[in-house]
Amino acid sequence: GENVEQHPSTLSVQEGDSAVIKCTYSDSASNYFPWYKQELGKRPQLIIDIRSNVGEKKDQRIAVTLNKTAKHFSLHITETQPEDSAVYFCAASNFGNEKLTFGTGTRLTIIP
Amino acid sequence: GAVVSQHPSWVICKSGTSVKIECRSLDFQATTMFWYRQFPKQSLMLMATSNEGSKATYEQGVEKDKFLINHASLTLSTLTVTSAHPEDSSFYICSAPGTVSYEQYFGPGTRLTVT
Repeated sequence: GENVEQHPSTLSVQEGDSAVIKCTYSDSASNYFPWYKQELGKRPQLIIDIRSNVGEKKDQRIAVTLNKTAKHFSLHITETQPEDSAVYFCAASNFGNEKLTFGTGTRLTIIP
Repeated sequence: GAVVSQHPSWVICKSGTSVKIECRSLDFQATTMFWYRQFPKQSLMLMATSNEGSKATYEQGVEKDKFLINHASLTLSTLTVTSAHPEDSSFYICSAPGTVSYEQYFGPGTRLTVT
């Protein structure tokens, strides 16, 4: 089955700086890669996603890049703000409607 | 957008009792729903795939006789934790795939505490 690794497990950045979280996946058949933000006790919230036919996608301060050959994808958050502090999970699935395999999570702390 | 609800949002039960958690798709039909479990400070781990009108598919290591799943309609899946023990205490989250996009829609989760 699919295996998704995520690094780093914790990340602290100064407010205004950029944060990068990286994930690798094992199943070359995976073609949908969402990123989620989860606050304590809440459901995961989709912040951006990318399909395998696209190399990069951007939405305001958030961007995701995908390297299919290397089987890795990354989340980039620019101009970080205190409200970006949360746990972030990457995930991978096949055909988009199949089960998601989650990464281990990154606790992001923005230092004011 | 698509909305998934869960009930209850939290529950406390005694060891040895059973607890039922409901997952509903409110404004769309879901032939498939997924059940995840999340222990504190850990990731979401898929427990099983709930299929409307057929048996659920369980992930390796998940006891199907302990975690009973019923998907009786296109909008409702239930997870029953039978003979619950303290180690079953966790955050249980369901999700359903959208009908148009690749996005999965998550329920708000159920916090189970077994005493």
